[in-house]
Amino acid sequence: KAGVTQTPRYLIKTRGQQVTLSCSPISGHRSVSWYQQTPGQGLQFLFEYFSETQRNKGNFPGRFSGRQFSNSRSEMNVSTLELGDSALYLCASSRAGSETQYFGPGTRLLVL
Amino acid sequence: GQQLNQSPQSMFIQEGEDVSMNCTSSSIFNTWLWYKQDPGEGPVLLIALYKAGELTSNGRLTAQFGITRKDSFLNISASIPSDVGIYFCAGDNYGQNFVFGPGTRLSVLP
Repeated sequence: KAGVTQTPRYLIKTRGQQVTLSCSPISGHRSVSWYQQTPGQGLQFLFEYFSETQRNKGNFPGRFSGRQFSNSRSEMNVSTLELGDSALYLCASSRAGSETQYFGPGTRLLVL
Repeated sequence: GQQLNQSPQSMFIQEGEDVSMNCTSSSIFNTWLWYKQDPGEGPVLLIALYKAGELTSNGRLTAQFGITRKDSFLNISASIPSDVGIYFCAGDNYGQNFVFGPGTRLSVLP
């Protein structure tokens, strides 16, 4: 069974631009969560989607948004990028009713 | 909000040695998970624990869910160079609050 996939793996943007990251969960997994990982802050929860609905949300500004499609694939968008948005963005999926999350390889975003 | 503490923050050990690290919280969790992350990659699930007192092994790894539900430990026996990485614990309460610890960075010296 294929694991969680994320595209692109690497991305370079400039301040003020916007970016969209994509995540395909493990087949059969309906929950997708997004995390931001930085050396200083560690792994921070962004939001979780289940059945196309945002179920939980972390403490991030409105510039960070996401959505989930009917096939459980998810995208997250960051608008008006700031230098501090440079990070590894991780997506994790889990089966309905399970707390066990499986992570993708991440998208490394660099904002110049 | 809920926070997890991991200790030690980092450790250097000799190849072949056993390793022990732990994770504590001021709040209880119903699930404890241990992940390992290699540089530039996403965390990989090592062990999942679902019941207080549960002791689970995965090869050279052993983890236990503390009986107070506020802690967990991970042991690695006979360490090898590929054990190098950052080990994260994570706690969860019925999918309502998934929290990660800051990680323990493990270095293995040949």
